[in-house]
Amino acid sequence: DADVTQTPRNRITKTGKRIMLECSQTKGHDRMYWYRQDPGLGLRLIYYSFDVKDINKGEISDGYSVSRQAQAKFSLSLESAIPNQTALYFCATGEGPSETQYFGPGTRLLVL
Amino acid sequence: GENVGLHLPTLSVQEGDNSIINCAYSNSASDYFIWYKQESGKGPQFIIDIRSNMDKRQGQRVTVLLNKTVKHLSLQIAATQPGDSAVYFCAENTYQGAQKLVFGQGTRLTINP
Repeated sequence: DADVTQTPRNRITKTGKRIMLECSQTKGHDRMYWYRQDPGLGLRLIYYSFDVKDINKGEISDGYSVSRQAQAKFSLSLESAIPNQTALYFCATGEGPSETQYFGPGTRLLVL
Repeated sequence: GENVGLHLPTLSVQEGDNSIINCAYSNSASDYFIWYKQESGKGPQFIIDIRSNMDKRQGQRVTVLLNKTVKHLSLQIAATQPGDSAVYFCAENTYQGAQKLVFGQGTRLTINP
């Protein structure tokens, strides 16, 4: 089984809808991250959490919110989706002094 | 601002040749530098990292070189194989209020038969 899983893998939604992307991990890491990937822009950090009671904004948090329900679960919500949030979303866990991160398979989101 | 970037967005090599993927960084305070491989339809996968007090580190068929004088990082892949086709990202571990990674834009490596 994969160490970091994401659901759904693909999602199509309409402008204004609220959606939630879920992430679960079995690696036992305290640190978890949500990234967005757009063509030509690499990975950009949306939110991160260093433990269950810790939530921090990344560089592009506007329009998103997160919830750290447990050490193993970190969900990302779009309260009112807009077309420019169409992207590939990755969840990751992190460990160690090098901050090595382990990524999930990604969720492809299309906002119409 | 501080950033991590790549010299070339694409690189094509012949199967069996060595590949060299480059990365420039600007945050001299970063502790670690990490290379990731992202295959089509998958999440980034850790390849190798190097600490800032080192200038070379070797893994299986891969070598990372760090030149802090010119703030340059490279990933060398020996005897490139078709399975090496992917986008390669460099990332730096930088403290900006909290320890986290800053990723470059990526280089697409294509293997010619």
